[in-house]
Amino acid sequence: LAKTTQPISMDSYEGQEVNITCSHNNIATNDYITWYQQFPSQGPRFIIQGYKTKVTNEVASLFIPADRKSSTLSLPRVSLSDTAVYYCLVGATSRGNDYKLSFGAGTTVTVRA
Amino acid sequence: GAGVSQTPSNKVTEKGKYVELRCDPISGHTALYWYRQSLGQGPEFLIYFQGTGAADDSGLPNDRFFAVRPEGSVSTLKIQRTERGDSAVYLCASSPPNDEQFFGPGTRLTVL
Repeated sequence: LAKTTQPISMDSYEGQEVNITCSHNNIATNDYITWYQQFPSQGPRFIIQGYKTKVTNEVASLFIPADRKSSTLSLPRVSLSDTAVYYCLVGATSRGNDYKLSFGAGTTVTVRA
Repeated sequence: GAGVSQTPSNKVTEKGKYVELRCDPISGHTALYWYRQSLGQGPEFLIYFQGTGAADDSGLPNDRFFAVRPEGSVSTLKIQRTERGDSAVYLCASSPPNDEQFFGPGTRLTVL
């Protein structure tokens, strides 16, 4: 699996947009980029996945440039409940097929009032 | 519907003891996974079941760790002769075939 690098932590305030960039220079042609969210005392939860360009769902947006060597998770108008650890994963094939999920240390996002 | 449940939520044991951690997957999910998460780190893969059989146990750290899923539903992770380094949160996940993994809340194991 391609190695990923993301910031250890980020602070923000309620109502702001949070952007977390993940570097994955060795991404392979058939790799997808997936982001998970983990709240304290809970397991990780899938939030978004993409292959190229932009993906948006009700929770977040994922921006992937043409070279796919990085990706940015964007959380619009965060609230205190968005405080969590966010993991960037890169793996072969599509959602679910790469069952050995490989998590790094993640980015701890702290949202303050 | 009900999610993945894990029991106990917390387990404190002494070095050298045997422990069992239980996972109840989402009904109908054929695949089940165990991960271990140390403090400040992301989860690490331990073992994957497809039905009753362990399809991949390459993540188990040594032969003190063993997992079973005898009827293709509930799974038990068993750790013999526990060591302080085994202290971690043990996460279970389940999924339909080749689909998103849904994680449980984990069992926090503390070995004194």
